[in-house]
Formats: sequence, structure tokens, C-alpha cells
Amino acid sequence: AQKITQTQPGMFVQEKEAVTLDCTYDTSDQSYGLFWYKQPSSGEMIFLIYQGSYDEQNATEGRYSLNFQKARKSANLVISASQLGDSAMYFCAMGPTGANNLFFGTGTRLTVIP
Amino acid sequence: EAGVAQSPRYKIIEKRQSVAFWCNPISGHATLYWYQQILGQGPKLLIQFQNNGVVDDSQLPKDRFSAERLKGVDSTLKIQPAKLEDSAVYLCASSGPGLAGGPTKETQYFGPGTRLLVL
Repeated sequence: AQKITQTQPGMFVQEKEAVTLDCTYDTSDQSYGLFWYKQPSSGEMIFLIYQGSYDEQNATEGRYSLNFQKARKSANLVISASQLGDSAMYFCAMGPTGANNLFFGTGTRLTVIP
Repeated sequence: EAGVAQSPRYKIIEKRQSVAFWCNPISGHATLYWYQQILGQGPKLLIQFQNNGVVDDSQLPKDRFSAERLKGVDSTLKIQPAKLEDSAVYLCASSGPGLAGGPTKETQYFGPGTRLLVL
């Protein structure tokens, strides 16, 4: 069984600062993928970044990077140079490679302060 | 390239009424998913289609929920009869080759969702 834990229900960050959103997971699968999604108040889930369990390098996509620590089973999202538009819910998700189904955490609400 | 389309965006119904949601996935995506997202929670998978076949419907309350993807493209999700606890956002997602730049064929791309309120 898979389990995703996001322990921060809410986070605040000053505009232009960096912020880390925590995610830990539990799985018995050997090969899996980790995903982060952003959900603004409009409701759409926007894909941000992906990390494969066998990828040796941490994934980066623009201002987003994923701090993957396999031994600790953590996949924290780092947002650099926060912008007001980054205010949203952020969900961590994982799924076994090839199986397609995703398991989501409960999310972290990020608020960027001007 | 067009994203996942869903309609309606909002729906308000009385309990015991029926409701249907429609989803059109990204062109070329073979896999389609329906999720239910209750307020304050992450999305929960209801059903997953591969082309027009069901891959996983273990979390679908089959006494009241049904879904189909007859031609392997668009899909409908129906609730009949609705209960108060069905109030949620219903998200459709798709995955597969066809969206250039996706890091993996398992990356799911979501539509805007349908917000359902059952009174």
C-alpha cells in the first residue's frame, strides 16, 4: 500500500524568498514516481515536477526543484524566488511505475506575502 | 495542444437527484481517470480507463456511481441518486503519449474540475 504524508497544512513565505514544502511517502514498490501538483483556487491541478525513484539527480523545472532523499523516503518541493502567483494548494503524489494510478497527500496551502 | 476539458464547471442538485459529468482528455491519451476531491483532502481515484476498458474501479461506489468511455475518447461519470456526502470536486485527468515534453507517460494532466454541491 502507498501512503503520502504532508505534515504542513499551511505555509507562509515572503515574496522573492525560497520555501520548502515537505512530503514523505511509504511504499513497498521498488520502482515508482513522485509528482508535485499545484492547485490554485480555480480548482485545476497543475503538474509541476516529476522524480523517478531510480533517477540519481534531483529533478528541476524552472523555479521548482525536488529534494529527493530515497533512504528517508522524502520528496520535498523547493520553490525559489516565490511570487504572489505561487499562492495555492500544493499536493505531493506518488504511483508505481507503469501502473498509472496516483496516491495524493492532503496538501499544503502556501501563501506568498508581498 | 488543448488540455483536458470538463463540463459543467459547477452543479447544484438536491439529494436523490441524478447528475452527469463529461470529460474529454488530451488528444492521443489512452488513459483517463476520474477523481473525487472532498474539501480539505487530496484527490481520490474513483475509476481508471485504458482506452475503453476499466483498469481500476475499486474505489467507485458502484451502487450509485457509474462511468463509461464507450469510444475510448471522452467519458461520462454519473451519480444516481446523489447523497449529501457526494458534494466534492470531480476531477478528470488523462495520461499517455501525445503531449510533447511530458517527463513520463504516467504523468497525469488534469481538467478544471466540476464542483458539485448536493443540498
